[in-house]
Amino acid sequence: AQTVTQSQPEMSVQEAETVTLSCTYDTSENNYYLFWYKQPPSRQMILVIRQEAYKQQNATENRFSVNFQKAAKSFSLKISDSQLGDTAMYFCAVRPVAQKLVFGQGTRLTINP
Amino acid sequence: EAQVTQNPRYLITVTGKKLTVTCSQNMNHEYMSWYRQDPGLGLRQIYYSMNVEVTDKGDVPEGYKVSRKEKRNFPLILESPSPNQTSLYFCASSPDSINSPLHFGNGTRLTVT
Repeated sequence: AQTVTQSQPEMSVQEAETVTLSCTYDTSENNYYLFWYKQPPSRQMILVIRQEAYKQQNATENRFSVNFQKAAKSFSLKISDSQLGDTAMYFCAVRPVAQKLVFGQGTRLTINP
Repeated sequence: EAQVTQNPRYLITVTGKKLTVTCSQNMNHEYMSWYRQDPGLGLRQIYYSMNVEVTDKGDVPEGYKVSRKEKRNFPLILESPSPNQTSLYFCASSPDSINSPLHFGNGTRLTVT
C-alpha cells in the first residue's frame, strides 16, 4: 500500500517570499508518478506539477518547482515569489503505474499581503 | 470545454433518504473515480472504474454504490445515508489508469442530518 505524509498542516508567509511544502511518501513500486494539487477556496482541485519517478531532473512550472529525492522518498514543492492567489490547500499525491492516486493530508498555505 | 461535471454542488439530506450524486466527463476518459475529502485526512478513494462495466472498491467503500453503464457517466449512490457520510465529494477522471493526472469535478458538499 502507498502512503503520503505532509507534516505541515498549516503554513503562512509574506507575499513575494519563497515557501517550501514538504511531502514524504512510501511505496514498494519502482515505477510511479508524483503530483502536487492546489485547492483554492473555490475548492477546485488544480494540478500544479507532476514528476515521473524515473526522471532524475526536477520538474518546474513557472514559479513552482519540486525537489525530488527518490532514495529518501521525498517530494517537496517550492513556490517562488509567492502571490496572494497562491493561498490554498496543497495536496501531495503518488500514483504507482496502473494503481490509484493516493493523497496526503494537505497543507493549508496562506500568503499574507 | 473539456470537463468533469458533478451535480449537485450542495446537498442537505436526512438519514436514510437515498440519494445519487451524478458525474459526467466529456473527454472520453477510461478511468473514473470517486473521492471523499475530510479535514486532516486528505482525499480518500471510495470507488473507481477502469472502463465501462468495470468497477472496484477503493479505501472507504462502505455505504456507497457506483455504476458505469456508459463511459461518460459514473454516479455515486448512497442507499441509506448516515451522518458520518457528511463530507466533500469529488469525482475525477483520467485517460488511463497508468500515469495520467486526474481531472476533477468541482465537488459536492453533502450534509446528512
